Amino acid sequence: AQSVTQPDIHITVSEGASLELRCNYSYGATPYLFWYVQSPGQGLQLLLKYFSGDTLVQGIKGFEAEFKRSQSSFNLRKPSVHWSDAAEYFCAVGGSSNTGKLIFGQGTTLQVKP
Amino acid sequence: SAVISQKPSRDICQRGTSLTIQCQVDSQVTMMFWYRQQPGQSLTLIATANQGSEATYESGFVIDKFPISRPNLTFSTLTVSNMSPEDSSIYLCSVRRGQGAYEQYFGPGTRLTVT
Repeated sequence: AQSVTQPDIHITVSEGASLELRCNYSYGATPYLFWYVQSPGQGLQLLLKYFSGDTLVQGIKGFEAEFKRSQSSFNLRKPSVHWSDAAEYFCAVGGSSNTGKLIFGQGTTLQVKP
Repeated sequence: SAVISQKPSRDICQRGTSLTIQCQVDSQVTMMFWYRQQPGQSLTLIATANQGSEATYESGFVIDKFPISRPNLTFSTLTVSNMSPEDSSIYLCSVRRGQGAYEQYFGPGTRLTVT
């Protein structure tokens, strides 16, 4: 079955500290992987994507993610968190099929302490 | 990316009534989707809006409850019919530009409360 697991429902970090949000997926074909961020009352904004090539991808707002096929993981990282990063983060997986369907994880809520 | 707008941004409706949500994109796109995000939950795909033909619904969603239109390549509507409090959710439309562009861009969402 196709699925995405974000093991951490809620994470709290101090401003300036590093961040890693975990994402594990199960997908039968070559996965296309995404991280989205949702600020309170807002829609989803695409942070970064992985289709192929270099397994370390850079995104917006200083985020990066690393694709590890052997671990079926696509963890999101940021070296220094800012208070404005407090939001809900969603990992999603899709494929190259024409259905275009994305499967989302349950999300991780990030709280940033001053 | 794409600029996507949704109307209304929020609404409070009485049970048994229907609400139509509009999604407008600033340029032509090949695929448009409708998602539901229930309170505190993740996103679930309702259906793919197909231009000029019936929408493709995911398991658990039916056309009678969520009729969808897509008259052209920049516009779609989702109607939530015969609403109940369980339909209280955020409804988001998303778009995918075309072949080779697999990422989806999302609208700001419509927050629906059914009383």
